[in-house]
Amino acid sequence: DIQMTQSPSSLSASVGDRVTITCRASQYISSFLNWYQQKPGKAPKLLISAASSLRSGVPSRFSGSESGTDFTLTISSLQPEDFATYFCQQGYSTPLTFGGGTKVEIE
Amino acid sequence: QVQLQQSGPGLVKPSQTLSLTCAISGDSVSSNSAAWNWIRQSPSRGLEWLGRTYYRSKWYNDYAESVKSRITINPDTSKNQFSLQLNYVTPEDTAVYYCVRAPPGGGADSWGQGILVTVSS
Repeated sequence: DIQMTQSPSSLSASVGDRVTITCRASQYISSFLNWYQQKPGKAPKLLISAASSLRSGVPSRFSGSESGTDFTLTISSLQPEDFATYFCQQGYSTPLTFGGGTKVEIE
Repeated sequence: QVQLQQSGPGLVKPSQTLSLTCAISGDSVSSNSAAWNWIRQSPSRGLEWLGRTYYRSKWYNDYAESVKSRITINPDTSKNQFSLQLNYVTPEDTAVYYCVRAPPGGGADSWGQGILVTVSS
């Protein structure tokens, strides 16, 4: 199975901060990397697919990038509604696997 | 807009069978581009993919090795839905279960509302 190592597991930030979350795959996954946002009691919401393709309706402050097996989600200017937990997920091969999540909290 | 509506019991006894159904609107279970997945989430195991069914001229299923001996995912074309059966459940199967549309290689763009299934006597 492909392991997805996500860091940090949590972070504290303020409104307006730039936030970066990293996900490392244990082996080659091409660009089959997706990012999700989850708020308490809700299902995850797809933000970015194929490593860097922003989904329709997702604010442009969210962006994704890749370098080999390292992937990054960046929020350029954190907004109050962005406080949530973020997950990465590889879609390269089954079993589909997820990172452990990054909880973004208010500082 | 695709909507997935889950149904099924929230409490299952140990050693019994967990059964959930996911009704699809806005797409077809027989779509040649989608795949229909079950994913669960628990504090101890995080987000865990269980398996999927999809149609590409014929029906295919993929299952996670961790549940392969106990799981069945079936499409129901007459009702445009798909189902999950997980046999011989234990308390470790307690989780929120989601049905999810995710094309092979693509992101999971539609999720059901989630059902908390508790395994307890």
